Amino acid sequence: GQQLNQSPQSMFIQEGEDVSMNCTSSSIFNTWLWYKQDPGEGPVLLIALYKAGELTSNGRLTAQFGITRKDSFLNISASIPSDVGIYFCAGESNAGNNRKLIWGLGTSLAVNP
Amino acid sequence: KAGVTQTPRYLIKTRGQQVTLSCSPISGHRSVSWYQQTPGQGLQFLFEYFSETQRNKGNFPGRFSGRQFSNSRSEMNVSTLELGDSALYLCASSLAVLAGGHSYNEQFFGPGTRLTVL
Repeated sequence: GQQLNQSPQSMFIQEGEDVSMNCTSSSIFNTWLWYKQDPGEGPVLLIALYKAGELTSNGRLTAQFGITRKDSFLNISASIPSDVGIYFCAGESNAGNNRKLIWGLGTSLAVNP
Repeated sequence: KAGVTQTPRYLIKTRGQQVTLSCSPISGHRSVSWYQQTPGQGLQFLFEYFSETQRNKGNFPGRFSGRQFSNSRSEMNVSTLELGDSALYLCASSLAVLAGGHSYNEQFFGPGTRLTVL
C-alpha cells in the first residue's frame, strides 16, 4: 500500500541534543499527524497539523505542515531519556466522508543519558 | 475512561493454525482499525470497521479477516498461519476531532497482541 517517506530511519543521540525528522509524500494531505510509540505500547498522538504552513508546538516538540501539503517535520529540543521510542508520521486524506490514514515507516530514536 | 484493550497480549501458534484476536474500543468510539507491525515495516493497515461494516481495507491476503459487533468490539482472524505472520497486531479506535474549523480522526491505540508463529 501507499506509504510516506519518513527519515531518518533511526537516530542515536546524546541527552540534551536536538532531533529533527521529516516525512514527504507525492500526495496532498488535509492533516498531518505525529505519533510516538513507547516500547511495549501502542502509538500515542503527539501533534496534529491541519493548516498548510502551520507551525505547532507541544512542549519541547515542534512540528510543521509543509506549505505544499506534501511534507511535514517534527523537531524535539533538548532530548531526554524518555524521548526514546518510535515516531510515526501519518497523513490523512478525505474522500467524501471516508478518511484514510497513510503512515510513514517510523523513526526509531535512542537517547544516550 | 478506559483505554483500548486487546486480548490476549501474547500468543504462540504453529504454522497452519488459525487465531482470533479481540479488541474493545474506548466507550463511544464506533470506528476500529487493525494494524500489523513488524520491525522495519512500520504500521501496515489491515482494515477498518465502522458501525459493524468494513469501511476500508489494506493489501493483505484473504486469510486476514475481521468483524465488528453491535457494541463496537472487534475481532480479527488469521487463518492458516504462516511464519511471516509473526508480528505485533495493534487495534485503534478513533474519534473525530474538531479543531479550528477543521476535522480529523485521532486514533487511540491498544497495547497490541504479540503473535508468534512457530
